[in-house]
Amino acid sequence: GAVVSQHPSWVICKSGTSVKIECRSLDFQATTMFWYRQFPKQSLMLMATSNEGSKATYEQGVEKDKFLINHASLTLSTLTVTSAHPEDSSFYICSAKVESAKNIQYFGAGTRLSVL
Amino acid sequence: KQEVTQIPAALSVPEGENLVLNCSFTDSAIYNLQWFRQDPGKGLTSLLLIQSSQREQTSGRLNASLDKSSGRSTLYIAASQPGDSATYLCADLNQGGKLIFGQGTELSVKP
Repeated sequence: GAVVSQHPSWVICKSGTSVKIECRSLDFQATTMFWYRQFPKQSLMLMATSNEGSKATYEQGVEKDKFLINHASLTLSTLTVTSAHPEDSSFYICSAKVESAKNIQYFGAGTRLSVL
Repeated sequence: KQEVTQIPAALSVPEGENLVLNCSFTDSAIYNLQWFRQDPGKGLTSLLLIQSSQREQTSGRLNASLDKSSGRSTLYIAASQPGDSATYLCADLNQGGKLIFGQGTELSVKP
């Protein structure tokens, strides 16, 4: 099956610094990738849709200047949390969509971000 | 606003018991519905996907049903095992291509 790799799996940073998270589709090309955020004991909330070669589409309430998304190739999307603060501490998960009739998304293993 | 609701939020059963997890959705025009498993601190593992034209899907001890008219899906787990302990999430894929997730059911199977 399709494999999505997400890196790093866990990151701790100081308040005010920026953190970059990578999402790679290893054995398929993905023109569309998605970024989700999950707080403890809560569900996944879609943050943005990442489109290869164009600007990301952000969900309502998500600050695009704080959560920078770059999808420069068909196998890589990055999410940069800029000027991170403790309230940004969360579990971030990406997914990549396989272009087919079933519109299946394959998920990365997630990144645990802790901002001190 | 499209919503997905899962009941119960948590469930504890003894090993060997059959169980049903419930999912309801408000989107009457879903593209498909998917059940995932999530272990603590981990990503998602897709268990079953039901296309909108289908009524159920089976994989091993798992069976998922879909009733679009009532906006409901169930995940049936037969002969539960301690290794089944995890959080189970359902999500519907809407016509806009976005997955809408429920809050999950945290399942604990006691030996």
